[in-house]
Amino acid sequence: AQKVTQAQTEISVVEKEDVTLDCVYETRDTTYYLFWYKQPPSGELVFLIRRNSFDEQNEISGRYSWNFQKSTSSFNFTITASQVVDSAVYFCALSEIGNYGQNFVFGPGTRLSVLP
Amino acid sequence: DADVTQTPRNRITKTGKRIMLECSQTKGHDRMYWYRQDPGLGLQLIYYSFDVKDINKGEISDGYSVSRQAQAKFSLSLESAIPNQTALYFCATSDLEDRSDEQFFGPGTRLTVL
Repeated sequence: AQKVTQAQTEISVVEKEDVTLDCVYETRDTTYYLFWYKQPPSGELVFLIRRNSFDEQNEISGRYSWNFQKSTSSFNFTITASQVVDSAVYFCALSEIGNYGQNFVFGPGTRLSVLP
Repeated sequence: DADVTQTPRNRITKTGKRIMLECSQTKGHDRMYWYRQDPGLGLQLIYYSFDVKDINKGEISDGYSVSRQAQAKFSLSLESAIPNQTALYFCATSDLEDRSDEQFFGPGTRLTVL
């Protein structure tokens, strides 16, 4: 069975603060993918990043960075110098390889509010 | 034009009515999915289809049915809508050739059952 936990239900920060969204996953597979999606107040789901289980390099994209640690089964997402436009619900997701059927599982999401 | 489209975008209906939500895609993907989103529960899979002749139940299929009319079209029906089916519904696609099974989402349909 696979499972994704996002323990932070809601986070509020003041603009320009850094914030880290936690994601912990469970899987028995050695090959899998991890994702982050953003859902702004308008409701659509926006893809942010995909990372495979063999690539533990941290990634940075502008103000966004991701820390993947297989040893702790975590794939955390940090926003540096947060902005009001970062206010959204953020979902972490896990996809296993090689199973026929439902591979893609979402965490419950973390609602981030960035206050001006 | 969007790669994955959903119609309608918003719908208000009454208990007991039959409702159909439609999804079309131009990505050429074989795999299509219907998800439901409730606050605090993330996305839950209702049904998925890996090709036109393949339909599978997801974790919350009770009260729903689907039809895969063509590779590009996947419809979700609520045979007799009830208030706890009020939710945001997403259609998604993925590429059979993509080992990661990355999901590409439509804009969502907000359904309210009174």
